[in-house]
Amino acid sequence: RKEVEQDPGPFNVPEGATVAFNCTYSNSASQSFFWYRQDCRKEPKLLMSVYSSGNEDGRFTAQLNRASQYISLLIRDSKLSDSATYLCVALRRALTFGSGTRLQVQP
Amino acid sequence: EAGVAQSPRYKIIEKRQSVAFWCNPISGHATLYWYQQILGQGPKLLIQFQNNGVVDDSQLPKDRFSAERLKGVDSTLKIQPAKLEDSAVYLCASSSPLRPDTGELFFGEGSRLTVL
Repeated sequence: RKEVEQDPGPFNVPEGATVAFNCTYSNSASQSFFWYRQDCRKEPKLLMSVYSSGNEDGRFTAQLNRASQYISLLIRDSKLSDSATYLCVALRRALTFGSGTRLQVQP
Repeated sequence: EAGVAQSPRYKIIEKRQSVAFWCNPISGHATLYWYQQILGQGPKLLIQFQNNGVVDDSQLPKDRFSAERLKGVDSTLKIQPAKLEDSAVYLCASSSPLRPDTGELFFGEGSRLTVL
């Protein structure tokens, strides 16, 4: 079983839509969680941290449920520029990445 | 501030040949990572250095992969001999002492390897 699992998608949504990505992790010893964004043929970049209390950054909201070992990312009012792969990441000794969920926002 | 530098950007070799990748992290970053990203997958950690010491190399295929970080700055990753399944992007990343509340790695643009 992979340590971090995500639905690979792709998610095809129209501009302005709200889209949610989910992720599960298997190692309860993981300390912290993050979402990274990776554009096509580019390197991953940190999008935001994930907390049990929730974390909101503009149109992006991330949530952690430690009891269910479940992480989510909500994107409101999708923009064309949000098209990318979103990587769910868990930190234990080093960052462990999921396979990513691809989002395509269409005009 | 200069980012993480990697070279070469692209490399095409035949199986059983050898290849080496170079990485120069952000100045002052003590921790350096090599990740392998196969098409359609997330980055997979190969090796983590803290200064010039190895912290974690549990997923490094040591029969063919080697890495070093002399003097705690630049690093090289070598594959010898290469196999078809080594075709991937090799990403180098660095961070200041990793605090649980930051989780921010700074990645280079990667070295794309194609093994024929």
